[in-house]
Amino acid sequence: EPEVTQTPSHQVTQMGQEVILRCVPISNHLYFYWYRQILGQKVEFLVSFYNNEISEKSEIFDDQFSVERPDGSNFTLKIRSTKLEDSAMYFCASSEVGNTQYFGPGTRLTVL
Amino acid sequence: AQSVTQLGSHVSVSEGALVLLRCNYSSSVPPYLFWYVQYPNQGLQLLLKYTTGATLVKGINGFEAEFKKSETSFHLTKPSAHMSDAAEYFCAVSGSTGSNTGKLIFGQGTTLQVKP
Repeated sequence: EPEVTQTPSHQVTQMGQEVILRCVPISNHLYFYWYRQILGQKVEFLVSFYNNEISEKSEIFDDQFSVERPDGSNFTLKIRSTKLEDSAMYFCASSEVGNTQYFGPGTRLTVL
Repeated sequence: AQSVTQLGSHVSVSEGALVLLRCNYSSSVPPYLFWYVQYPNQGLQLLLKYTTGATLVKGINGFEAEFKKSETSFHLTKPSAHMSDAAEYFCAVSGSTGSNTGKLIFGQGTTLQVKP
């Protein structure tokens, strides 16, 4: 069964550094998403991406964040100049028609 | 604007007992509703969804949920709990209009504990 994959599973970085979180969505899906879950809190929407552009972003998704689909398979989330409060689990999701989303296992980001 | 409220951050049931996890939503457009389960150190797995049509939807692992528009609810039930059902459960809503980007708005989550 096709699944969304994410790498790395755990990323540790120093405050102020840049990180890139990688996702490989399900191959025939057209909509891509990033969410985050701070420890003990609910899952929050960050950004949606369709047709090679951002279709919607939340207030959290400020200039520190960017997304890219550099090739036909990867979907990346870049966080510039990481802050302590960026520590969270980051989930990638994809869907075929903007409806049912399938989630990856997540990347746990720890900012020291 | 859309929002989801899950009543009860922690629910404890005995093995074999009925599971009832409550979810109420607010939406200015006809909603699509979802339940996801998260096992420890894993991602979110879709349990079931409501889009249109039959208001009682069945999902994996014996779970079902009923969409009640008049009550703005989408409660999750399972007749008989199993130890393997212990997990975090998230209710989520998205819009159903043509301009919908599909973003999911999640509730706070409910931790289900199953006692032997």
